[in-house]
Amino acid sequence: NAGVMQNPRHLVRRRGQEARLRCSPMKGHSHVYWYRQLPEEGLKFMVYLQKENIIDESGMPKERFSAEFPKEGPSILRIQQVVRGDSAAYFCASSPRTGTANAEAFFGQGTRLTVV
Amino acid sequence: AQSVTQLGSHVSVSEGALVLLRCNYSSSVPPYLFWYVQYPNQGLQLLLKYTTGATLVKGINGFEAEFKKSETSFHLTKPSAHMSDAAEYFCAVRVNTGTASKLTFGTGTRLQVTL
Repeated sequence: NAGVMQNPRHLVRRRGQEARLRCSPMKGHSHVYWYRQLPEEGLKFMVYLQKENIIDESGMPKERFSAEFPKEGPSILRIQQVVRGDSAAYFCASSPRTGTANAEAFFGQGTRLTVV
Repeated sequence: AQSVTQLGSHVSVSEGALVLLRCNYSSSVPPYLFWYVQYPNQGLQLLLKYTTGATLVKGINGFEAEFKKSETSFHLTKPSAHMSDAAEYFCAVRVNTGTASKLTFGTGTRLQVTL
């Protein structure tokens, strides 16, 4: 059973370009979370999605950032017109359900975005 | 809103010594508490979790943590450190409110193990 798969592992973008980060949850998981880790900081929640629905986007920057989790295919975190401050590690986590004690989230290995 | 405070961004211990990583939380509802470990350029791996029941929880690699409600703490311990324990450790709290469920992380503690 493959774990949470994120790609690419490393992504370099020039300022002003778009970055697309992909996350395939574990088999059977219908809940996806995106977190951002800035250098020397902990992970900050960005967005929580279920299939075709954004449940909680309270951690998403108001501009340039968007996320989706379509019925088919991976979840996508999209950053438009990247700036140097977007350089960070972006982690995806998935869980089978929420609201229960055993709704453990499993993390992918992250995508390290560098904006030059 | 919930929050997590990890005291000490860097902790150094000798191999074979006790490891103690501190975590305090705040939450308006009963929390679920987690410790994750992150090795360089890797994702997060769950060490252990507290949900309900026994307040002393055992995890992988010989780690354990005790939930103390009166102290709002969930400190991570290991009796004898090993070189392979050198990593970054994150404490996290999860609160379920209706359909929302997300982890709030502390800023992490980097554990160094010396000979």
